[in-house]
Amino acid sequence: SQKIEQNSEALNIQEGKTATLTCNYTNYSPAYLQWYRQDPGRGPVFLLLIRENEKEKRKERLKVTFDTTLKQSLFHITASQPADSATYLCALDDQAGTALIFGKGTTLSVSS
Amino acid sequence: EAQVTQNPRYLITVTGKKLTVTCSQNMNHEYMSWYRQDPGLGLRQIYYSMNVEVTDKGDVPEGYKVSRKEKRNFPLILESPSPNQTSLYFCASSLWAGRSVNTEAFFGQGTRLTVV
Repeated sequence: SQKIEQNSEALNIQEGKTATLTCNYTNYSPAYLQWYRQDPGRGPVFLLLIRENEKEKRKERLKVTFDTTLKQSLFHITASQPADSATYLCALDDQAGTALIFGKGTTLSVSS
Repeated sequence: EAQVTQNPRYLITVTGKKLTVTCSQNMNHEYMSWYRQDPGLGLRQIYYSMNVEVTDKGDVPEGYKVSRKEKRNFPLILESPSPNQTSLYFCASSLWAGRSVNTEAFFGQGTRLTVV
């Protein structure tokens, strides 16, 4: 079965730096990959979707890359701010195309 | 405003006492699902529904039931709750795009359930 790994449970960076989060997957070639933000005790909120034929996607200070050869997606937040502190989840469609499979998330802390 | 509404937000109950967590969406989405989130385990899908009267098991369906009688509602039923069902529960909805759920998922605010 497909497996998703977000390499770091926690990432601490200083305000103004670029945060880079990693999502790796195995045993599958997904049609797309999504990134969500989750604040404590609240539901995940969609950020970006990137399809298998897209190498990179941007939205304001966010950038996502998708390398289907490495089976990896990188999620970047440039000029990070304390308000960016949250848990970030990556998600893939499952092989049957009937569900989103989520990674366990990386908790980002941005200190001022 | 597009939203998914879950109720209740917090619930403490006793073992064996049947309960229902409601979920409603106002976006006319075909696809709805339930997840539970536990520390160290992440989000795991319990059940999903591709449309009215169409439901199927996710990864962790044991001890849960669902129904989809109307497009907007997808209640989660625990017939006989046990302490191992203590968790944070999320309902989500999205458009169904052919064979793949390839659009963004909208999540509810969550229901924190404690079974004692």
